[in-house]
Amino acid sequence: QVQLQESGPGLVKPSQTLSLTCTVSGGSISNSNYYWSWIRQPAGKGLEWIGRIYTSGSTNYNPSLKSRVTISVDTSKTQFSLKLSSVTAADTAVYYCARVAGDRGGDFDYWGQGTLVTVSS
Amino acid sequence: DIQMTQSPSTLSASVGDRVTITCRASQNINGWLAWYQQKPGKAPKLLIYRASSLESGVPSRFSGSGSGTEFTLTISSLQPDDFATYYCQQYNSYRTFGQGTKVEIK
Repeated sequence: QVQLQESGPGLVKPSQTLSLTCTVSGGSISNSNYYWSWIRQPAGKGLEWIGRIYTSGSTNYNPSLKSRVTISVDTSKTQFSLKLSSVTAADTAVYYCARVAGDRGGDFDYWGQGTLVTVSS
Repeated sequence: DIQMTQSPSTLSASVGDRVTITCRASQNINGWLAWYQQKPGKAPKLLIYRASSLESGVPSRFSGSGSGTEFTLTISSLQPDDFATYYCQQYNSYRTFGQGTKVEIK
């Protein structure tokens, strides 16, 4: 059973960089049938896709966040990571990592439990 | 950007009711649509992919249909465990979610 687990600071100061890591277990992060995404959800609001990474390292980002987002992968550690720069209070949200079922088009078939990141001084 | 619009935003229903949620895309998404269920404090759970394919382990009372720009999620007989928020999501171009439909107890 594939499991994903987010980790990282729960509090980030405004203008700083948010950094999160997702550790994948129970399956290979290098399987080319899948790729990996970050999604966030502000309290009481809907879901926003942040971006995705293939195990080749190729990335795609939400155009609204593209200038501030970097997603990377470390297959040796079965982890992928998110960096979001110049954060503001609007970036406060629960951040989820998810597996993308690339072999059937790209739905999110496995999710981490989510981690709350608060942007505040 | 492809916009996804769900209706209704909130739905009040009783156990045993047939429930239908609609999702409309701003352009043709070629059937690349998924439905998720989310309960408070939990991650979303995949129910339906490719508009009408039931994810493994999901009860058969859930079904999806539609094409082009209009899609529906139907729960044939609402069960107590089904009270939750439901999201549609397109994956024809990048990823966009609908705003959610909360199914609450009538």
